Amino acid sequence: GAGVSQTPSNKVTEKGKYVELRCDPISGHTALYWYRQSLGQGPEFLIYFQGTGAADDSGLPNDRFFAVRPEGSVSTLKIQRTERGDSAVYLCASSLSPLGTDTQYFGPGTRLTVL
Amino acid sequence: TQLLEQSPQFLSIQEGENLTVYCNSSSVFSSLQWYRQEPGEGPVLLVTVVTGGEVKKLKRLTFQFGDARKDSSLHITAAQPGDTGLYLCASHGKLTFGQGTILTVHP
Repeated sequence: GAGVSQTPSNKVTEKGKYVELRCDPISGHTALYWYRQSLGQGPEFLIYFQGTGAADDSGLPNDRFFAVRPEGSVSTLKIQRTERGDSAVYLCASSLSPLGTDTQYFGPGTRLTVL
Repeated sequence: TQLLEQSPQFLSIQEGENLTVYCNSSSVFSSLQWYRQEPGEGPVLLVTVVTGGEVKKLKRLTFQFGDARKDSSLHITAAQPGDTGLYLCASHGKLTFGQGTILTVHP
């Protein structure tokens, strides 16, 4: 079956613009996670969904970042008033059940560049 | 917040050599995972270790979990160019990753 997919694969935007990044998890996976990975670093947790609700958003850096998962499947990460420091690869992962022993499967990421 | 330190940060070796990378934590892991990430891809899980002192083998890769569950190592025997990538350790659950070890294996 299909893995986690993310679109777009690359996004270039200008400082101050709004962007949306999309994640399609593996079908049937109830848990969905967003991470951010800067160059030369490991991924950093942003937010975790169980179904439609954000169970843990403690990793979101500030209120410019917001994520939704309205139907418990596809999720969108939204960034307002982008800043150059937001440039990174944004990774999405899904797992069959939440935060337990189930494996998280990662998508290929969206590379965001803010000019 | 659990902090994970990986070493070395970079490793460049010739095909056929052996290598070890390390992951150390400021606190006890409930369980620990090792991932491998290639350019343009997301991390892929290699192994999960749970019990202190545990050793797991995956072909030429050997993973050890420290007795006190605060450290782990990944040993690769007879490295091949296909082993090239970013190796990450992470505490399980809401994953907290180390900064990774970038391994390059030259033919």
